[in-house]
Amino acid sequence: GQNIDQPTEMTATEGAIVQINCTYQTSGFNGLFWYQQHAGEAPTFLSYNVLDGLEEKGRFSSFLSRSKGYSYLLLKELQMKDSASYLCAGMDSNYQLIWGAGTKLIIKP
Amino acid sequence: GAVVSQHPSWVICKSGTSVKIECRSLDFQATTMFWYRQFPKQSLMLMATSNEGSKATYEQGVEKDKFLINHASLTLSTLTVTSAHPEDSSFYICSATPGLASDEQYFGPGTRLTVT
Repeated sequence: GQNIDQPTEMTATEGAIVQINCTYQTSGFNGLFWYQQHAGEAPTFLSYNVLDGLEEKGRFSSFLSRSKGYSYLLLKELQMKDSASYLCAGMDSNYQLIWGAGTKLIIKP
Repeated sequence: GAVVSQHPSWVICKSGTSVKIECRSLDFQATTMFWYRQFPKQSLMLMATSNEGSKATYEQGVEKDKFLINHASLTLSTLTVTSAHPEDSSFYICSATPGLASDEQYFGPGTRLTVT
């Protein structure tokens, strides 16, 4: 079956760095997405990886290892506004997104 | 960037009535639109995929006669929840892609439905 696993909740301190891990099992693979979702709002796109390696975009970076079925989202210089849920989603061979349950990130001052 | 709007943003209706939710792509033509449902503290659940001018493809377990989807144009898709019940209360989110299904999905702001 298809499955996305990510931690339910993480806590970090303002100004610090946090890494949110995601493991995936999909039927075929057409990329790994990370979305940010604030409470009561729709998800917003953060990153897309389809090749192995690290993609850096400002304070956020995303890493993919296809051989390990593993990705992580790295958030640097954490700000209070980064408190949100982070959704990992894998795209299968039918171009359908398989969503994880999301990781709720709590930022403390 | 690509913008997707939804209307209404929230709605309260009585059990047994029907509710229509609109999803519009404002600055691009959406070849494919997706409808999701999200219950509190849970992930997004894909309900159906619709392509302009053709019937929607529903996910397993989603009743197509209860959740009517119409994708009449390249900028508008509608989801009608027929004979709504309290268990249909949820956050309904649409997303749209301008090209192939592999393109990034642009999400609407969501519609919170409460059925009393």
